[in-house]
Amino acid sequence: GQQLNQSPQSMFIQEGEDVSMNCTSSSIFNTWLWYKQDPGEGPVLLIALYKAGELTSNGRLTAQFGITRKDSFLNISASIPSDVGIYFCAGRPPYGAGSYQLTFGKGTKLSVIP
Amino acid sequence: NAGVTQTPKFQVLKTGQSMTLQCAQDMNHNSMYWYRQDPGMGLRLIYYSASEGTTDKGEVPNGYNVSRLNKREFSLRLESAAPSQTSVYFCASSEAIVKFFGPGTRLTVL
Repeated sequence: GQQLNQSPQSMFIQEGEDVSMNCTSSSIFNTWLWYKQDPGEGPVLLIALYKAGELTSNGRLTAQFGITRKDSFLNISASIPSDVGIYFCAGRPPYGAGSYQLTFGKGTKLSVIP
Repeated sequence: NAGVTQTPKFQVLKTGQSMTLQCAQDMNHNSMYWYRQDPGMGLRLIYYSASEGTTDKGEVPNGYNVSRLNKREFSLRLESAAPSQTSVYFCASSEAIVKFFGPGTRLTVL
């Protein structure tokens, strides 16, 4: 099946620094989603991307749908302690109608040092 | 509007015991899902239900059964729990591609 490579696996950064993480795939996706999971909670949607080349922001977060449709990037600017958590990318392959199978990356664990 | 709710939040079982994880959503979504999350493995789909009355296997269905009781509720049953089923279980619902997750059930099988 589809495989997503998410990197880095973990990051330790100083408060105030910018963060970049990405997901890559060997095959194309029609939709990219980015989720954040706080410790002890379920994943919460941050950004959804529906078109190749799309660049979308949500506050200090910016995500891009790669032009090749095989990758996506998430950037966090000026990190703060509450950014701590696990960030997941998820992609929807270009199947026909009825495809409910999002493929998830294994997550990037972000730690912010005050 | 509670979104997706799951019960229980924590559970400890002995090998061979059975239990049912409950999930309910109040967003009137057609589709519901069960995932498990293990360290380093990300989220893996166990079963899903595209609409009331239908269920389908996901990536890791062995050892589990599901019931879509009505549009709101989707339960996951472990008939004979095994230590390999120690995990965090998430229920999710969606109307389109975007999934909304519950808070999770942390299950330990001894």
